[in-house]
Amino acid sequence: GAGVSQSPRYKVTKRGQDVALRCDPISGHVSLYWYRQALGQGPEFLTYFNYEAQQDKSGLPNDRFSAERPEGSISTLTIQRTEQRDSAMYRCASSLGRGQGGYEQYFGPGTRLTVT
Amino acid sequence: AQSVTQLDSHVSVSEGTPVLLRCNYSSSYSPSLFWYVQHPNKGLQLLLKYTSAATLVKGINGFEAEFKKSETSFHLTKPSAHMSDAAEYFCVVSEVRGSQGNLIFGKGTKLSVKP
Repeated sequence: GAGVSQSPRYKVTKRGQDVALRCDPISGHVSLYWYRQALGQGPEFLTYFNYEAQQDKSGLPNDRFSAERPEGSISTLTIQRTEQRDSAMYRCASSLGRGQGGYEQYFGPGTRLTVT
Repeated sequence: AQSVTQLDSHVSVSEGTPVLLRCNYSSSYSPSLFWYVQHPNKGLQLLLKYTSAATLVKGINGFEAEFKKSETSFHLTKPSAHMSDAAEYFCVVSEVRGSQGNLIFGKGTKLSVKP
């Protein structure tokens, strides 16, 4: 079946603009996670959802970052008034969210954001 | 607090020789541990996972890892490297509470394989 998809794959924006990054998880997956990966680093947790409920947003760096998953499927990560330091790879992952093996996370290809 | 330390940022081996990528973890709870691989311009792929069953875990592409609680280690090994193994490898710890498990990634080890 289809894996996790993200769009756009690449986004170049000017400083001060808002951007919206989309994640389409694996069908039936309860949990959806957002990570940010700077160059040369491992991914860092931003936020996650169970169904439509945002369970943890402790990793969002500031209030310019927000995420939603209104129908418990597709999620959007929005960055307002982008800054150059927001440039990174943004990764989405989904998991079944149930039981011992339920939290195995499957990652999408990522969105490479460049703020100029 | 959980953390993961990958002891080498870059490992270089010759094709056909063994691979060892080292990882130490810190966790207050019973951890779940993973190794993910990232090939250039591709997404993260799960290699293997430890979830409190057998301490020696076999993964895809001939990789395996051994959970050693006394050493708080979860090193990744492969008996014989292949050119296609060249990639970046991430050791990951997940705190398991109920059904949730946010992933904490190490900084990654870049594996180079020489012909």
